[in-house]
Amino acid sequence: GAVVSQHPSWVICKSGTSVKIECRSLDFQATTMFWYRQFPKQSLMLMATSNEGSKATYEQGVEKDKFLINHASLTLSTLTVTSAHPEDSSFYICRARPGQENYGYTFGSGTRLTVV
Amino acid sequence: SQQGEEDPQALSIQEGENATMNCSYKTSINNLQWYRQNSGRGLVHLILIRSNEREKHSGRLRVTLDTSKKSSSLLITASRAADTASYFCATDPLPSGSARQLTFGSGTQLTVLP
Repeated sequence: GAVVSQHPSWVICKSGTSVKIECRSLDFQATTMFWYRQFPKQSLMLMATSNEGSKATYEQGVEKDKFLINHASLTLSTLTVTSAHPEDSSFYICRARPGQENYGYTFGSGTRLTVV
Repeated sequence: SQQGEEDPQALSIQEGENATMNCSYKTSINNLQWYRQNSGRGLVHLILIRSNEREKHSGRLRVTLDTSKKSSSLLITASRAADTASYFCATDPLPSGSARQLTFGSGTQLTVLP
Protein backbone atom coordinates (compact mmCIF):
# COMPACT_ATOMS: atom_id res chain seq x y z
CA GLY A 1 0.00 0.00 0.00
CA ALA A 2 0.87 3.66 -0.19
CA VAL A 3 3.51 4.78 2.29
CA VAL A 4 4.26 8.26 3.52
CA SER A 5 7.57 8.77 5.25
CA GLN A 6 7.69 11.66 7.71
CA HIS A 7 10.89 12.97 9.28
CA PRO A 8 12.00 13.69 11.86
CA SER A 9 9.84 11.69 14.24
CA TRP A 10 10.77 14.04 17.03
CA VAL A 11 12.74 17.23 17.39
CA ILE A 12 13.70 19.56 20.21
CA CYS A 13 14.70 23.09 19.31
CA LYS A 14 15.39 26.38 21.00
CA SER A 15 12.98 29.28 20.86
CA GLY A 16 13.57 31.45 17.85
CA THR A 17 14.97 28.76 15.63
CA SER A 18 13.29 27.17 12.63
CA VAL A 19 12.43 23.53 12.15
CA LYS A 20 11.70 21.72 8.90
CA ILE A 21 9.49 18.66 8.74
CA GLU A 22 9.45 16.49 5.61
CA CYS A 23 6.84 14.21 4.22
CA ARG A 24 7.67 11.96 1.30
CA SER A 25 5.34 9.69 -0.59
CA LEU A 26 7.43 6.61 -1.26
CA ASP A 27 5.57 4.69 -3.92
CA PHE A 28 3.05 7.08 -5.34
CA GLN A 29 2.72 10.65 -6.50
CA ALA A 30 0.97 12.90 -4.04
CA THR A 31 -0.54 15.88 -5.79
CA THR A 32 -2.09 16.96 -2.52
CA MET A 33 -0.76 16.75 1.01
CA PHE A 34 -2.54 17.88 4.14
CA TRP A 35 -0.76 19.12 7.24
CA TYR A 36 -2.34 18.70 10.66
CA ARG A 37 -1.45 19.72 14.17
CA GLN A 38 -2.50 17.79 17.21
CA PHE A 39 -2.21 18.97 20.79
CA PRO A 40 -2.07 16.39 23.59
CA LYS A 41 -5.29 14.46 24.04
CA GLN A 42 -6.97 16.44 21.29
CA SER A 43 -8.06 15.76 17.76
CA LEU A 44 -6.30 16.65 14.54
CA MET A 45 -6.70 20.19 13.32
CA LEU A 46 -6.08 20.86 9.66
CA MET A 47 -3.46 23.55 9.20
CA ALA A 48 -3.07 23.73 5.45
CA THR A 49 -3.55 21.94 2.18
CA SER A 50 -0.47 21.68 0.03
CA ASN A 51 -0.74 21.27 -3.73
CA GLU A 52 2.24 20.43 -5.88
CA GLY A 53 3.47 23.41 -7.82
CA SER A 54 1.19 25.97 -6.23
CA LYS A 55 0.78 27.90 -3.03
CA ALA A 56 -0.63 26.15 -0.02
CA THR A 57 -4.10 26.91 1.24
CA TYR A 58 -4.09 27.73 4.92
CA GLU A 59 -6.94 27.28 7.36
CA GLN A 60 -8.31 30.25 9.21
CA GLY A 61 -6.11 31.24 12.11
CA VAL A 62 -2.97 29.55 10.79
CA GLU A 63 -0.15 32.01 10.09
CA LYS A 64 1.24 31.27 6.66
CA ASP A 65 4.40 33.24 7.35
CA LYS A 66 5.08 31.15 10.42
CA PHE A 67 4.24 27.77 8.96
CA LEU A 68 5.89 27.69 5.56
CA ILE A 69 4.78 24.89 3.28
CA ASN A 70 6.63 23.86 0.18
CA HIS A 71 5.39 21.19 -2.22
CA ALA A 72 7.94 21.44 -4.97
CA SER A 73 7.65 17.88 -6.22
CA LEU A 74 5.01 15.19 -6.45
CA THR A 75 6.71 13.18 -3.72
CA LEU A 76 7.84 15.76 -1.21
CA SER A 77 6.12 18.35 0.92
CA THR A 78 7.81 20.24 3.73
CA LEU A 79 6.49 22.23 6.66
CA THR A 80 8.87 24.74 8.22
CA VAL A 81 8.01 26.19 11.59
CA THR A 82 9.79 29.51 11.61
CA SER A 83 10.92 31.34 14.73
CA ALA A 84 9.47 28.59 16.86
CA HIS A 85 8.06 29.35 20.30
CA PRO A 86 7.08 27.01 23.13
CA GLU A 87 3.41 27.34 22.16
CA ASP A 88 4.29 25.76 18.79
CA SER A 89 5.18 22.56 20.61
CA SER A 90 2.81 20.00 19.21
CA PHE A 91 2.47 16.84 17.15
CA TYR A 92 2.49 17.55 13.42
CA ILE A 93 1.17 14.98 10.95
CA CYS A 94 0.94 14.96 7.20
CA ARG A 95 -1.52 13.08 5.06
CA ALA A 96 -1.16 12.33 1.39
CA ARG A 97 -3.72 11.21 -1.14
CA PRO A 98 -2.60 8.97 -3.98
CA GLY A 99 -5.53 9.82 -6.20
CA GLN A 100 -8.51 12.10 -6.37
CA GLU A 101 -10.77 10.26 -3.99
CA ASN A 102 -10.76 11.25 -0.35
CA TYR A 103 -9.94 7.79 0.88
CA GLY A 104 -7.09 5.35 0.39
CA TYR A 105 -4.88 8.11 1.70
CA THR A 106 -2.06 7.61 4.11
CA PHE A 107 -0.81 9.46 7.14
CA GLY A 108 2.79 10.05 8.00
CA SER A 109 3.99 8.79 11.36
CA GLY A 110 4.02 12.28 12.82
CA THR A 111 6.63 14.64 14.26
CA ARG A 112 6.74 15.58 17.91
CA LEU A 113 8.07 19.13 18.13
CA THR A 114 9.22 20.47 21.47
CA VAL A 115 10.36 24.07 21.65
CA VAL A 116 12.37 24.96 24.73
CA SER B 1 -14.31 23.18 9.74
CA GLN B 2 -16.78 21.62 12.10
CA GLN B 3 -15.53 18.77 14.16
CA GLY B 4 -17.54 15.72 14.96
CA GLU B 5 -18.19 14.75 18.51
CA GLU B 6 -17.25 11.39 19.88
CA ASP B 7 -18.36 9.71 23.02
CA PRO B 8 -17.28 8.56 25.35
CA GLN B 9 -14.11 10.64 25.59
CA ALA B 10 -12.50 7.81 27.49
CA LEU B 11 -13.43 4.16 27.86
CA SER B 12 -11.80 1.55 30.06
CA ILE B 13 -12.75 -2.12 29.72
CA GLN B 14 -11.44 -5.55 30.54
CA GLU B 15 -9.78 -7.71 27.93
CA GLY B 16 -12.36 -9.83 26.14
CA GLU B 17 -15.15 -7.30 26.51
CA ASN B 18 -16.63 -5.36 23.64
CA ALA B 19 -15.93 -1.65 23.18
CA THR B 20 -18.39 0.71 21.54
CA MET B 21 -17.55 4.22 20.48
CA ASN B 22 -19.95 6.71 18.97
CA CYS B 23 -19.46 9.60 16.60
CA SER B 24 -21.86 12.35 15.64
CA TYR B 25 -21.34 14.83 12.86
CA LYS B 26 -23.04 17.87 11.45
CA THR B 27 -22.75 18.00 7.68
CA SER B 28 -23.85 15.74 4.85
CA ILE B 29 -21.13 13.26 4.05
CA ASN B 30 -19.73 11.21 1.23
CA ASN B 31 -18.26 8.65 3.63
CA LEU B 32 -17.13 8.26 7.21
CA GLN B 33 -13.88 6.70 8.30
CA TRP B 34 -12.50 5.40 11.56
CA TYR B 35 -8.87 5.71 12.55
CA ARG B 36 -6.70 4.43 15.33
CA GLN B 37 -3.79 6.30 16.88
CA ASN B 38 -1.34 4.85 19.32
CA SER B 39 0.19 7.39 21.67
CA GLY B 40 2.63 9.66 19.87
CA ARG B 41 2.18 7.91 16.55
CA GLY B 42 0.47 8.57 13.25
CA LEU B 43 -3.03 7.53 12.36
CA VAL B 44 -3.91 4.16 10.94
CA HIS B 45 -6.97 3.83 8.76
CA LEU B 46 -9.31 1.14 10.09
CA ILE B 47 -12.46 1.13 8.05
CA LEU B 48 -14.53 3.30 5.72
CA ILE B 49 -18.29 3.29 5.39
CA ARG B 50 -20.03 5.06 2.54
CA SER B 51 -23.10 7.19 2.99
CA ASN B 52 -25.30 4.59 1.27
CA GLU B 53 -24.12 1.82 3.59
CA ARG B 54 -25.58 1.10 7.00
CA GLU B 55 -23.20 -1.46 8.41
CA LYS B 56 -19.76 -2.79 7.64
CA HIS B 57 -17.52 -5.42 9.18
CA SER B 58 -13.79 -5.92 9.15
CA GLY B 59 -12.39 -8.61 11.41
CA ARG B 60 -13.31 -7.68 14.97
CA LEU B 61 -14.56 -4.28 13.88
CA ARG B 62 -18.16 -3.43 13.15
CA VAL B 63 -19.18 0.01 12.00
CA THR B 64 -22.70 1.35 11.66
CA LEU B 65 -23.85 4.54 10.03
CA ASP B 66 -27.16 6.33 10.48
CA THR B 67 -27.22 9.29 8.11
CA SER B 68 -30.63 10.41 9.34
CA LYS B 69 -29.20 10.87 12.81
CA LYS B 70 -25.78 11.87 11.50
CA SER B 71 -24.11 9.33 13.71
CA SER B 72 -21.83 6.32 13.50
CA SER B 73 -20.60 3.71 15.92
CA LEU B 74 -17.50 1.58 16.05
CA LEU B 75 -17.69 -1.73 17.87
CA ILE B 76 -14.55 -3.67 18.71
CA THR B 77 -15.40 -7.18 19.78
CA ALA B 78 -13.34 -9.41 22.06
CA SER B 79 -10.99 -6.56 22.88
CA ARG B 80 -7.31 -7.10 23.52
CA ALA B 81 -4.76 -5.09 25.47
CA ALA B 82 -3.17 -4.20 22.12
CA ASP B 83 -6.38 -2.39 21.15
CA THR B 84 -5.49 0.32 23.66
CA ALA B 85 -5.31 3.50 21.61
CA SER B 86 -7.23 6.61 20.63
CA TYR B 87 -9.93 6.14 18.04
CA PHE B 88 -11.11 8.94 15.77
CA CYS B 89 -13.92 9.20 13.31
CA ALA B 90 -13.44 11.39 10.26
CA THR B 91 -16.04 12.57 7.82
CA ASP B 92 -15.56 13.21 4.14
CA PRO B 93 -18.05 15.98 3.55
CA LEU B 94 -20.25 16.75 0.58
CA PRO B 95 -20.21 18.39 -1.87
CA SER B 96 -17.47 16.45 -3.53
CA GLY B 97 -14.49 18.27 -4.90
CA SER B 98 -10.94 17.73 -5.98
CA ALA B 99 -9.38 18.62 -2.63
CA ARG B 100 -11.87 17.73 0.03
CA GLN B 101 -10.67 17.73 3.57
CA LEU B 102 -11.50 15.27 6.28
CA THR B 103 -13.03 16.52 9.48
CA PHE B 104 -11.93 14.62 12.54
CA GLY B 105 -13.92 13.90 15.65
CA SER B 106 -12.65 14.60 19.12
CA GLY B 107 -11.57 11.02 19.69
CA THR B 108 -12.14 8.28 22.24
CA GLN B 109 -9.28 7.04 24.37
CA LEU B 110 -9.76 3.30 24.79
CA THR B 111 -7.89 1.43 27.50
CA VAL B 112 -8.14 -2.35 27.54
CA LEU B 113 -7.00 -3.81 30.82
CA PRO B 114 -5.34 -7.23 30.76
